[in-house]
Amino acid sequence: SQQGEEDPQALSIQEGENATMNCSYKTSINNLQWYRQNSGRGLVHLILIRSNEREKHSGRLRVTLDTSKKSSSLLITASRAADTASYFCATDRALYSGGGADGLTFGKGTHLIIQP
Amino acid sequence: EAQVTQNPRYLITVTGKKLTVTCSQNMNHEYMSWYRQDPGLGLRQIYYSMNVEVTDKGDVPEGYKVSRKEKRNFPLILESPSPNQTSLYFCASSSYTGKSHGYTFGSGTRLTVV
Repeated sequence: SQQGEEDPQALSIQEGENATMNCSYKTSINNLQWYRQNSGRGLVHLILIRSNEREKHSGRLRVTLDTSKKSSSLLITASRAADTASYFCATDRALYSGGGADGLTFGKGTHLIIQP
Repeated sequence: EAQVTQNPRYLITVTGKKLTVTCSQNMNHEYMSWYRQDPGLGLRQIYYSMNVEVTDKGDVPEGYKVSRKEKRNFPLILESPSPNQTSLYFCASSSYTGKSHGYTFGSGTRLTVV
């Protein structure tokens, strides 16, 4: 079942601006991960935040996690044309949480377009 | 280079003709899984494996089989493909211990069943 839901579904901004994408989920998690996918290609892992962490940085990426609200956000600062892609949040289900099968549950993604 | 390799990249087949999509990883990962990606539905897990000879169903296992006889390989088998299995398929692997480094995905297999 789809657990993560990204918002917005599509986002178009100018190069150099910041892009913020949000993700909500429903069940208990071990961690939450963000992935990038370029036009039907494979997914590339960007960043992982554990359930006991609130914020994490990696280069131009900043991820926050609010487990009380079951939500996360991904901020890409100083966007570049090469950041144009679809971005997915994925929750790694907590073992024995009653959430069904082990593994990642993906949202439907945010399609980000960076205008030059 | 650490990677997950899927073959073939593209496949067109006819209804009912058995096919296998191969997946191999060179990172000694315990955990491997298969996903399908469909417009409007996102990625959904088909099967996963926590180690050799250990496999389990994901969210959409109907019509698929898998095997894990060796740690590096996790083939996806469609015994009698149907048009509703037309999709983009991804194999992924992860070090299961803590799963703290995310998953590595293959480049995908675009399957069309006519």
